[in-house]
Amino acid sequence: DAGVIQSPRHEVTEMGQEVTLRCKPISGHDYLFWYRQTMMRGLELLIYFNNNVPIDDSGMPEDRFSAKMPNASFSTLKIQPSEPRDSAVYFCASSRGGTNEKLFFGSGTQLSVL
Amino acid sequence: AQSVTQLGSHVSVSEGALVLLRCNYSSSVPPYLFWYVQYPNQGLQLLLKYTTGATLVKGINGFEAEFKKSETSFHLTKPSAHMSDAAEYFCAVRGAAGNKLTFGGGTRVLVKP
Repeated sequence: DAGVIQSPRHEVTEMGQEVTLRCKPISGHDYLFWYRQTMMRGLELLIYFNNNVPIDDSGMPEDRFSAKMPNASFSTLKIQPSEPRDSAVYFCASSRGGTNEKLFFGSGTQLSVL
Repeated sequence: AQSVTQLGSHVSVSEGALVLLRCNYSSSVPPYLFWYVQYPNQGLQLLLKYTTGATLVKGINGFEAEFKKSETSFHLTKPSAHMSDAAEYFCAVRGAAGNKLTFGGGTRVLVKP
Protein backbone atom coordinates (compact mmCIF):
# COMPACT_ATOMS: atom_id res chain seq x y z
CA ASP A 1 0.00 0.00 0.00
CA ALA A 2 1.24 3.49 -0.85
CA GLY A 3 0.24 4.93 2.50
CA VAL A 4 -1.51 8.23 3.06
CA ILE A 5 -0.67 10.58 0.22
CA GLN A 6 -0.71 14.33 0.66
CA SER A 7 -0.16 17.03 -1.91
CA PRO A 8 1.51 19.35 -2.33
CA ARG A 9 4.54 18.71 -0.07
CA HIS A 10 5.30 22.40 0.05
CA GLU A 11 3.10 25.40 -0.63
CA VAL A 12 4.18 29.01 -0.60
CA THR A 13 1.50 31.60 -1.13
CA GLU A 14 0.73 35.20 -0.44
CA MET A 15 -1.64 36.46 2.17
CA GLY A 16 -5.20 36.56 0.89
CA GLN A 17 -4.81 33.72 -1.57
CA GLU A 18 -6.84 30.52 -1.48
CA VAL A 19 -4.95 27.39 -0.52
CA THR A 20 -6.14 23.82 -1.08
CA LEU A 21 -4.45 20.87 0.54
CA ARG A 22 -5.21 17.36 -0.65
CA CYS A 23 -5.20 13.94 0.94
CA LYS A 24 -5.70 10.41 -0.26
CA PRO A 25 -6.22 8.02 2.65
CA ILE A 26 -5.29 4.37 2.72
CA SER A 27 -7.85 2.23 0.94
CA GLY A 28 -10.28 0.63 3.34
CA HIS A 29 -9.76 3.14 6.13
CA ASP A 30 -12.99 4.66 7.36
CA TYR A 31 -11.58 7.51 9.44
CA LEU A 32 -9.71 10.53 8.17
CA PHE A 33 -8.12 13.22 10.32
CA TRP A 34 -6.62 16.61 9.55
CA TYR A 35 -3.97 17.91 11.96
CA ARG A 36 -1.94 21.09 12.06
CA GLN A 37 1.54 21.24 13.59
CA THR A 38 3.24 24.43 14.72
CA MET A 39 6.07 25.16 17.10
CA MET A 40 3.83 27.24 19.33
CA ARG A 41 0.76 25.03 19.50
CA GLY A 42 2.12 21.57 18.72
CA LEU A 43 -0.21 19.09 17.03
CA GLU A 44 -3.83 20.13 16.85
CA LEU A 45 -6.75 18.15 15.49
CA LEU A 46 -8.68 20.32 13.07
CA ILE A 47 -11.42 17.98 11.88
CA TYR A 48 -12.14 14.32 11.37
CA PHE A 49 -14.42 12.29 9.15
CA ASN A 50 -15.99 8.89 9.53
CA ASN A 51 -17.23 7.24 6.35
CA ASN A 52 -16.84 10.57 4.53
CA VAL A 53 -19.04 12.41 7.04
CA PRO A 54 -17.53 15.22 9.16
CA ILE A 55 -17.90 14.20 12.79
CA ASP A 56 -16.08 16.87 14.74
CA ASP A 57 -14.85 20.16 13.32
CA SER A 58 -14.46 21.95 16.63
CA GLY A 59 -10.74 22.31 16.01
CA MET A 60 -11.16 24.30 12.82
CA PRO A 61 -9.75 27.72 13.71
CA GLU A 62 -12.31 29.89 11.98
CA ASP A 63 -14.59 30.18 9.01
CA ARG A 64 -11.66 30.68 6.68
CA PHE A 65 -10.99 26.95 7.02
CA SER A 66 -13.16 24.31 5.40
CA ALA A 67 -12.74 20.60 4.73
CA LYS A 68 -14.54 18.17 2.51
CA MET A 69 -14.47 14.47 1.82
CA PRO A 70 -16.48 13.85 -1.34
CA ASN A 71 -15.61 10.16 -1.41
CA ALA A 72 -13.68 7.53 0.52
CA SER A 73 -10.46 8.15 -1.35
CA PHE A 74 -10.11 11.92 -1.29
CA SER A 75 -10.27 14.84 1.10
CA THR A 76 -9.41 18.52 0.87
CA LEU A 77 -8.62 21.21 3.39
CA LYS A 78 -9.14 24.71 2.08
CA ILE A 79 -8.07 28.03 3.55
CA GLN A 80 -9.63 31.13 2.05
CA PRO A 81 -8.30 33.75 2.49
CA SER A 82 -4.97 32.61 3.85
CA GLU A 83 -3.05 34.56 6.50
CA PRO A 84 0.57 34.39 7.69
CA ARG A 85 -0.52 32.81 10.97
CA ASP A 86 -1.80 29.83 8.98
CA SER A 87 1.79 28.88 8.20
CA ALA A 88 2.29 25.37 9.58
CA VAL A 89 2.66 21.74 8.59
CA TYR A 90 -0.71 20.18 7.86
CA PHE A 91 -1.00 16.42 8.27
CA CYS A 92 -3.65 14.08 7.07
CA ALA A 93 -4.04 10.72 8.82
CA SER A 94 -6.34 7.76 8.31
CA SER A 95 -7.26 4.70 10.29
CA ARG A 96 -9.55 1.72 10.27
CA GLY A 97 -11.82 2.07 13.27
CA GLY A 98 -10.91 5.39 14.84
CA THR A 99 -8.12 6.48 17.15
CA ASN A 100 -8.01 3.26 19.17
CA GLU A 101 -6.39 1.84 16.13
CA LYS A 102 -3.18 2.88 14.51
CA LEU A 103 -3.27 6.22 12.75
CA PHE A 104 -1.31 6.34 9.52
CA PHE A 105 0.01 9.80 8.82
CA GLY A 106 0.92 11.34 5.50
CA SER A 107 4.19 13.21 5.07
CA GLY A 108 2.47 16.53 5.53
CA THR A 109 2.15 19.77 3.60
CA GLN A 110 4.46 22.57 4.66
CA LEU A 111 2.45 25.76 4.15
CA SER A 112 4.09 29.17 4.17
CA VAL A 113 1.87 32.22 3.84
CA LEU A 114 3.86 35.37 3.13
CA ALA B 1 -11.33 16.86 28.88
CA GLN B 2 -7.91 15.36 28.61
CA SER B 3 -4.40 16.75 28.42
CA VAL B 4 -0.84 15.51 28.08
CA THR B 5 2.37 16.93 29.49
CA GLN B 6 5.74 15.81 28.24
CA LEU B 7 8.60 16.80 30.49
CA GLY B 8 11.53 18.13 28.51
CA SER B 9 11.23 19.37 24.97
CA HIS B 10 14.76 18.10 24.21
CA VAL B 11 16.66 15.08 25.49
CA SER B 12 20.25 14.20 24.65
CA VAL B 13 21.53 10.67 25.19
CA SER B 14 24.68 8.82 24.30
CA GLU B 15 24.50 5.86 21.95
CA GLY B 16 23.95 2.74 24.05
CA ALA B 17 22.51 4.65 27.01
CA LEU B 18 19.00 4.42 28.42
CA VAL B 19 16.34 6.52 26.77
CA LEU B 20 13.63 7.79 29.14
CA LEU B 21 10.90 10.10 27.93
CA ARG B 22 8.34 11.27 30.44
CA CYS B 23 4.63 11.66 29.85
CA ASN B 24 1.91 12.56 32.31
CA TYR B 25 -1.72 12.73 31.37
CA SER B 26 -4.96 14.04 32.67
CA SER B 27 -8.20 12.33 31.79
CA SER B 28 -11.61 12.21 33.37
CA VAL B 29 -12.15 8.67 32.10
CA PRO B 30 -9.87 5.63 31.82
CA PRO B 31 -7.44 6.70 29.16
CA TYR B 32 -6.11 5.11 26.06
CA LEU B 33 -2.48 6.14 25.73
CA PHE B 34 -0.15 6.25 22.77
CA TRP B 35 3.41 7.06 21.81
CA TYR B 36 4.15 8.22 18.30
CA VAL B 37 7.52 8.99 16.70
CA GLN B 38 8.21 11.56 14.00
CA TYR B 39 11.34 11.39 11.90
CA PRO B 40 12.48 14.52 10.05
CA ASN B 41 10.17 15.56 7.23
CA GLN B 42 7.83 12.65 7.86
CA GLY B 43 4.46 12.07 9.44
CA LEU B 44 4.00 10.41 12.81
CA GLN B 45 4.27 6.65 13.27
CA LEU B 46 2.77 4.64 16.09
CA LEU B 47 5.35 3.20 18.48
CA LEU B 48 2.99 1.58 20.96
CA LYS B 49 -0.36 1.96 22.67
CA TYR B 50 -2.10 1.09 25.89
CA THR B 51 -5.84 0.45 25.95
CA THR B 52 -6.58 -2.16 28.60
CA GLY B 53 -4.87 -5.13 30.17
CA ALA B 54 -1.16 -5.40 30.83
CA THR B 55 0.28 -2.12 31.98
CA LEU B 56 3.71 -2.72 30.46
CA VAL B 57 3.41 -2.29 26.73
CA LYS B 58 6.07 -3.24 24.23
CA GLY B 59 6.36 -1.45 20.93
CA ILE B 60 8.48 -1.35 17.85
CA ASN B 61 12.21 -0.67 17.73
CA GLY B 62 12.79 -1.91 21.29
CA PHE B 63 10.68 0.73 23.00
CA GLU B 64 8.31 0.04 25.85
CA ALA B 65 6.09 2.08 28.14
CA GLU B 66 4.40 1.46 31.45
CA PHE B 67 0.99 2.77 32.39
CA LYS B 68 0.90 3.84 36.03
CA LYS B 69 -2.56 4.93 37.00
CA SER B 70 -1.54 6.11 40.46
CA GLU B 71 1.03 8.44 38.94
CA THR B 72 -1.03 9.28 35.82
CA SER B 73 2.09 8.52 33.83
CA PHE B 74 3.02 6.66 30.67
CA HIS B 75 6.78 7.02 30.38
CA LEU B 76 8.61 5.65 27.34
CA THR B 77 11.90 3.79 27.68
CA LYS B 78 14.48 2.01 25.60
CA PRO B 79 17.41 0.28 27.30
CA SER B 80 20.01 1.15 24.70
CA ALA B 81 19.79 4.13 22.36
CA HIS B 82 20.72 3.81 18.71
CA MET B 83 21.60 6.60 16.34
CA SER B 84 18.44 5.83 14.39
CA ASP B 85 16.34 6.74 17.45
CA ALA B 86 17.02 10.43 16.86
CA ALA B 87 13.54 11.83 16.24
CA GLU B 88 10.69 13.62 17.95
CA TYR B 89 8.43 11.61 20.21
CA PHE B 90 4.83 12.42 21.04
CA CYS B 91 2.69 11.08 23.82
CA ALA B 92 -1.06 11.16 23.21
CA VAL B 93 -4.21 10.39 25.16
CA ARG B 94 -7.68 9.52 23.99
CA GLY B 95 -10.67 9.73 26.24
CA ALA B 96 -13.46 7.21 26.05
CA ALA B 97 -15.73 9.37 23.98
CA GLY B 98 -15.10 10.42 20.45
CA ASN B 99 -11.96 10.02 18.45
CA LYS B 100 -9.90 12.95 19.59
CA LEU B 101 -6.27 12.23 20.27
CA THR B 102 -4.70 14.94 22.39
CA PHE B 103 -0.97 15.14 21.81
CA GLY B 104 1.73 16.38 24.12
CA GLY B 105 4.18 19.01 22.99
CA GLY B 106 6.74 16.44 21.88
CA THR B 107 10.27 15.58 23.00
CA ARG B 108 13.11 15.80 20.53
CA VAL B 109 15.76 13.13 21.10
CA LEU B 110 19.36 13.66 20.10
CA VAL B 111 21.66 10.65 20.14
CA LYS B 112 25.37 11.33 20.54
CA PRO B 113 27.94 8.88 19.23
